[in-house]
Amino acid sequence: NAGVTQTPKFRVLKTGQSMTLLCAQDMNHEYMYWYRQDPGMGLRLIHYSVGEGTTAKGEVPDGYNVSRLKKQNFLLGLESAAPSQTSVYFCASSYHGLAGAVGQNEQFFGPGTRLTVL
Amino acid sequence: AQSVTQLGSHVSVSEGALVLLRCNYSSSVPPYLFWYVQYPNQGLQLLLKYTSAATLVKGINGFEAEFKKSETSFHLTKPSAHMSDAAEYFCAVSEETSGTYKYIFGTGTRLKVLA
Repeated sequence: NAGVTQTPKFRVLKTGQSMTLLCAQDMNHEYMYWYRQDPGMGLRLIHYSVGEGTTAKGEVPDGYNVSRLKKQNFLLGLESAAPSQTSVYFCASSYHGLAGAVGQNEQFFGPGTRLTVL
Repeated sequence: AQSVTQLGSHVSVSEGALVLLRCNYSSSVPPYLFWYVQYPNQGLQLLLKYTSAATLVKGINGFEAEFKKSETSFHLTKPSAHMSDAAEYFCAVSEETSGTYKYIFGTGTRLKVLA
C-alpha cells in the first residue's frame, strides 16, 4: 500500500515550458487535491476533484489545468510555466464515506514536487 | 468561508519544556479540525483530528489538542518537547458545502527545539 505518490520529485523549467505532475493513490479515495506551498502562506488549493472525470477550481487555479481520467490518478499541468509558479506542489486524497470509518475525512498527502521555474 | 489562524509563525522551546501551538478557526458550527506535521522536505502527516466525539484529542508522538467551542480554538500541546519535534505544524479545518469537502489550512508554525 503506497498511499499517495507524486512524480517527479524535483524539476527545473525555463519560463514558457510546459510540464505535467502526476499524482497517484491506491486507497480508492474519491477526492483528490492539488496544493501549492509557499513560505509563510501555508497550503493553497489549486484544483480538486470529487470523483473520476470531475474537476473543480480551488483558490489559485490560474495558470494550471488538471485532469482525472482514472480514479487513482490526478494530473496537474502547467501549459506555460512562469517564475511565479516556483513552489512545492502537494497532492492529497481523502475519503468521505461512512462516519466513523478509519481515515474518514482525513487528507493523505504525497511527498511533494519541488518545482523551480527560471 | 471558514478561516484558520495560527498565532506565531515561529515558536522556540527548550528541550523538555511545554509545547503550545495556537490555532483559532472561524465557524459557527463545530467543524472537523486537524493538526498536521511536516518534517523538512516531506509531505504533511496527520497528528490528530477532532470529530466531535471528545473535546480532548490525543494524537501521535505525545501531542494532544483541546477543542474549545467558546473560544473557537484548537490549540496543540505536548508536555515535554523533544528534539525530534522540530518541524512545521499546520492547523486545518474541513468545510463541507453542498456535499463537497474542502480543507482550509493555517499558515503554519515552525517549531524550534533548543538543546
